[in-house]
Amino acid sequence: DQQVKQNSPSLSVQEGRISILNCDYTNSMFDYFLWYKKYPAEGPTFLISISSIKDKNEDGRFTVFLNKSAKHLSLHIVPSQPGDSAVYFCAASAPGNQFYFGTGTSLTVIP
Amino acid sequence: EAGVTQSPTHLIKTRGQQATLRCSPISGHTSVYWYQQALGLGLQFLLWYDEGEERNRGNFPPRFSGRQFPNYSSELNVNALELEDSALYLCASSSGTASETQYFGPGTRLLVL
Repeated sequence: DQQVKQNSPSLSVQEGRISILNCDYTNSMFDYFLWYKKYPAEGPTFLISISSIKDKNEDGRFTVFLNKSAKHLSLHIVPSQPGDSAVYFCAASAPGNQFYFGTGTSLTVIP
Repeated sequence: EAGVTQSPTHLIKTRGQQATLRCSPISGHTSVYWYQQALGLGLQFLLWYDEGEERNRGNFPPRFSGRQFPNYSSELNVNALELEDSALYLCASSSGTASETQYFGPGTRLLVL
């Protein structure tokens, strides 16, 4: 049972444009959401997070939006750069500190 | 400051054998998490250790077990290996408070033949 879903396995965006990565979840008890970025042969690295009491969090070129009623969050990268090409994982935290991850979206930024 | 380290980087075993994977957290972190990333699947939560105790485990059979040592390093043991245990096993550490960001190691790639 996949409680966190990333329905787009891949995404290609032109350099300088906006990249939008989407994530849906089913468990209304999730109270903390994170995005991780993963390069090949490396572990995931933390990118940005948002608490369920907020609907937006911004850090430089990265913004995460949370829509609790739709159980949906998205990561916006503006402007996209070739170095952003990686696999992005969405994660959600449940009470008890158990983290659930999506299957990832592979982003390719075309120069 | 050193990040999360894992050993070995690669491990090849045969069905029925046991595998032991090791993880050293970031200095000062008391929580260690283990995840499995099988081909085509997202990261699946395996185990969470904090202050030497198992706090939570994911939906995996009992042949997946582990422990955390007094220095907060951790071992993941997989007994009676099956072919479908072939995956990337990632360890992460955090300071232990709820919803604290986790920092991941590079992973151990286990291949079961």
